[in-house]
Amino acid sequence: EAGVTQFPSHSVIEKGQTVTLRCDPISGHDNLYWYRRVMGKEIKFLLHFVKESKQDESGMPNNRFLAERTGGTYSTLKVQPAELEDSGVYFCASSLGAWSDYNSPLHFGNGTRLTVT
Amino acid sequence: DQQVKQNSPSLSVQEGRISILNCDYTNSMFDYFLWYKKYPAEGPTFLISISSIKDKNEDGRFTVFLNKSAKHLSLHIVPSQPGDSAVYFCAARDGGGSEKLVFGKGTKLTVNP
Repeated sequence: EAGVTQFPSHSVIEKGQTVTLRCDPISGHDNLYWYRRVMGKEIKFLLHFVKESKQDESGMPNNRFLAERTGGTYSTLKVQPAELEDSGVYFCASSLGAWSDYNSPLHFGNGTRLTVT
Repeated sequence: DQQVKQNSPSLSVQEGRISILNCDYTNSMFDYFLWYKKYPAEGPTFLISISSIKDKNEDGRFTVFLNKSAKHLSLHIVPSQPGDSAVYFCAARDGGGSEKLVFGKGTKLTVNP
């Protein structure tokens, strides 16, 4: 079974540019999450999709961030325009059902390291 | 304000000995706790979890203890192995129906041969 895949693994952009991160969850996983870790701090929740619907987007920092999951398969996270403080590692995770079901752990991808200069 | 705190940024132990990683939390609504292990350039990997209705959960060399009155949990690894060297994150779920996890900053464990 392929794991959660994220593209690109690294991205370096200038302040004011646009970047789009992509996440391919494990096939069949309805639940998809985005998290972010900034500069050695804690990993913070951004949002949660159930299929193509946004279940919880309470962690999105501001309207420069747009997440989509058209068709309920892969998801994209666009940052436009990027600011210096957006630098960090963006993780995507997926689960078959609600992860809190003991048999449905949350599987994380390797992350996209974003550097805004 | 951090709701999940891992006050030790690093821990070093000898191979074969016990590793104890600690985590404190402030939100009494947390109802589920997890430990994740993370190697460099990889995503966090689920290790073990515990529901707030329990005080202990064991899986092989890994045991998680929960002390609700103290709002404290710990992860014990016995015996520690060099391959256990990684960053360990404590995480918690808000019991208010949300599926989001609140993470600590992590503790870097180094197991020396």
